[in-house]
Amino acid sequence: EDQVTQSPEALRLQEGESSSLNCSYTVSGLRGLFWYRQDPGKGPEFLFTLYSAGEEKEKERLKATLTKKESFLHITAPKPEDSATYLCAVRATDSWGKLQFGAGTQVVVTP
Amino acid sequence: DTAVSQTPKYLVTQMGNDKSIKCEQNLGHDTMYWYKQDSKKFLKIMFSYNNKELIINETVPNRFSPKSPDKAHLNLHINSLELGDSAVYFCASSQPTQGSEQYFGPGTRLTVT
Repeated sequence: EDQVTQSPEALRLQEGESSSLNCSYTVSGLRGLFWYRQDPGKGPEFLFTLYSAGEEKEKERLKATLTKKESFLHITAPKPEDSATYLCAVRATDSWGKLQFGAGTQVVVTP
Repeated sequence: DTAVSQTPKYLVTQMGNDKSIKCEQNLGHDTMYWYKQDSKKFLKIMFSYNNKELIINETVPNRFSPKSPDKAHLNLHINSLELGDSAVYFCASSQPTQGSEQYFGPGTRLTVT
């Protein structure tokens, strides 16, 4: 069965203190790995899709990378507005759009 | 110009009641989904419709019945509500092509007392 494990569960950063979140996955065939951001009381907001090992995508202070077994979300010089729960999800080739989510990493950035 | 909208935002009801949640998307997507997020914030898919046809039906009690009147709408009806049904329910939509990202609604917080 497809599995997605995110670590750490929670991360507390000082403003400007760069760090990385990990998403380890097991899937029969990867059709896509997705990163979402979720703010309290809101729906997940799409950030990136990665399709193959070696691929990287960037958006402002966020950079997502992908290997055959895991993905990293790097947060460079974070600001308090980067505080959120970051969710990782995988879509398998034999699924019909089904996303398997990890439990998320809650990031708090303090001024 | 909300992309994926859900009503109501909050739903408080007693055990045994029947309730519905509505979802609409204006993105022109063919595929829509229902997810459940439990108290531990874990998101799990329940159903998916592609162009009004049910294509994903996870292991969900048959008290839950989705209905898609057209490809822009996907509703969720829940019969005989139980305490364990308390959660946040999210609707999402995407294009049916492999690897397409899903866009989520704001969620409906259901509390069963």
